[in-house]
Amino acid sequence: EAQLVESGGGLVQPGRSLRLSCAASGFNFDDYGMHWVRQVPGKGLEWVSGINWNSASVGYADSVKGRFTISRDNTKNSLYLQMSSLRPEDTALYFCTRTPFGDYLFDYWGQGTLVSVSS
Amino acid sequence: QSALTQPRSVSGSPGQSVTISCTGTSSDVGGYNFISWHQQHPGKAPKLMIHDVNKRPSGVPDRFSGSKSGNTASLTISGLQAEDEADYYCCSYAGTYTWVFGGGTKLTVL
Repeated sequence: EAQLVESGGGLVQPGRSLRLSCAASGFNFDDYGMHWVRQVPGKGLEWVSGINWNSASVGYADSVKGRFTISRDNTKNSLYLQMSSLRPEDTALYFCTRTPFGDYLFDYWGQGTLVSVSS
Repeated sequence: QSALTQPRSVSGSPGQSVTISCTGTSSDVGGYNFISWHQQHPGKAPKLMIHDVNKRPSGVPDRFSGSKSGNTASLTISGLQAEDEADYYCCSYAGTYTWVFGGGTKLTVL
């Protein structure tokens, strides 16, 4: 059974950095694009960033472009999100989700890791 | 990258049908047939209900259907059941490996 487990969230001061990780298991990681989607508690979903299976295609939401960097390590079945220059408005639950090769949908989601940006 | 527009809330009685709209632009909803809908119950991760405008993943009841006309996509839930009460989010591919979600719609089953 597929599993996506996010980690790395926590409380961080504005302007600092944080690195999120997503450990994948139960499926062939190489066959999927991977994404980060966030949700402010009580609010809607916001797509943050995505990376295709071989890291050749990468995309970012305008709200994080230039501050966040997505990456993946297919040898470790892991997805990462390096977040820098964090702002209070980056406070959210960050979900890891996957896109099957050749598709444009998110077919499975992790449970999320909470990031709080506050002084 | 503006969020797609959804009604904040819709409601219906058990057995009835409801439709949730999702309006974007020619750069997202109108430009691609890669529209998906996700259901989210409180405290849970989202669940894919519809993809590619009108395709249902295995295990999703055929009470859920999707459509698109121009820059607006729609999710219709027929034969409403109590367990359908949840938040629903549309999502569209927006080109150059970017995606955009709608603001979400809270479905209340009366």
